[in-house]
Amino acid sequence: AQRVTQPEKLLSVFKGAPVELKCNYSYSGSPELFWYVQYSRQRLQLLLRHISRESIKGFTADLNKGETSFHLKKPFAQEEDSAMYYCALRIQGAQKLVFGQGTRLTINP
Amino acid sequence: DAGITQSPRHKVTETGTPVTLRCHQTENHRYMYWYRQDPGHGLRLIHYSYGVKDTDKGEVSDGYSVSRSKTEDFLLTLESATSSQTSVYFCATASGNQPQHFGDGTRLSIL
Repeated sequence: AQRVTQPEKLLSVFKGAPVELKCNYSYSGSPELFWYVQYSRQRLQLLLRHISRESIKGFTADLNKGETSFHLKKPFAQEEDSAMYYCALRIQGAQKLVFGQGTRLTINP
Repeated sequence: DAGITQSPRHKVTETGTPVTLRCHQTENHRYMYWYRQDPGHGLRLIHYSYGVKDTDKGEVSDGYSVSRSKTEDFLLTLESATSSQTSVYFCATASGNQPQHFGDGTRLSIL
């Protein structure tokens, strides 16, 4: 069965420090991965999708099929990055997403 | 934001009462979804729709039903609400192979 795991429920780093939010997936097909961000009491917003290979708000993520990972990284954290981050897997041929449990990122001043 | 409107935004009700949440979209997207968001569980799919009158169950469908009589509206009904259904409910839509876009959420409390 397909599964997305975000091992850290909470992550706290200081402003200016590097950030890495981990995401691992289990899926037998060809994966399509996403990162969504949810700022306090707001809707989920798409941050990244792996096929676009963009850098949004300084964040990047690389799909590593060998390690079945899609970790989210940013070299220098900013206070406005504090939010809930969700990794999601789209099932091939379907329009359904499987979400991880989420990681709450807090950036300390 | 794909023109997604959820109503109501907040609701408090009692155990055993029926509750209907509405998701309205203006983008003519084919796919619509209902999720619930709970601490420690992330987002879990309740039901989804791939067209008018075409719906299917998600991961946590027990106790919920849906209807989609027209493209723009997707209704989620709790026939007899229970306290375990206290949650934040999100609607999402998608078109073709594009990513899902989410509404603002409905905060539902069952007392």
